Amino acid sequence: QKEVEQNSGPLSVPEGAIASLNCTYSDRGSQSFFWYRQYSGKSPELIMFIYSNGDKEDGRFTAQLNKASQYVSLLIRDSQPSDSATYLCAVNPWSGNQGGKLIFGQGTELSVKP
Amino acid sequence: EPEVTQTPSHQVTQMGQEVILRCVPISNHLYFYWYRQILGQKVEFLVSFYNNEISEKSEIFDDQFSVERPDGSNFTLKIRSTKLEDSAMYFCASMGPKRNTEAFFGQGTRLTVV
Repeated sequence: QKEVEQNSGPLSVPEGAIASLNCTYSDRGSQSFFWYRQYSGKSPELIMFIYSNGDKEDGRFTAQLNKASQYVSLLIRDSQPSDSATYLCAVNPWSGNQGGKLIFGQGTELSVKP
Repeated sequence: EPEVTQTPSHQVTQMGQEVILRCVPISNHLYFYWYRQILGQKVEFLVSFYNNEISEKSEIFDDQFSVERPDGSNFTLKIRSTKLEDSAMYFCASMGPKRNTEAFFGQGTRLTVV
């Protein structure tokens, strides 16, 4: 069973701080990795994706991937109260995957305090 | 900006009734998906669809479920005889033209089976 694990939180950070969200995955053949943000009662909204080892930056967001450790993280700099949401890590497992499905973690709830 | 559109936003149905959830994927996308999220739980993959056929399905997607793309635009999920445990948010997603790129989600249909 291919698994994606996240700390469910809640993770609480003060406004302006860096929030660090972590995710591990079990399928070593996984090729692409995604971070989605989900507000309560809403659909997942894509924030970032990463395919290669290392860091990828987009504005206040940085995704980090370490395939050897099967670990992917998301850093949010200068956190804002509007960043308060559940952050979903999703992995596209390559092994036997013909259709591009995503396996989601349970999500980490982030709360940014003013 | 192109988006995935789902209708209805909320559907209430009696146990044993058939429901059809509808989705209009992003127009140049080729890969289509249904996911569900039971309240408080993780987003779960149901089925992927490409080239007018199912490419992969999960254990959840049993004989009570079916999908089709009747007119080259809409993508539908049918549940033949709903059960109480089918109550969930159902998300449609589309991806493409290339596989294993970003998937974009619709706003979801909240299905309540009573």
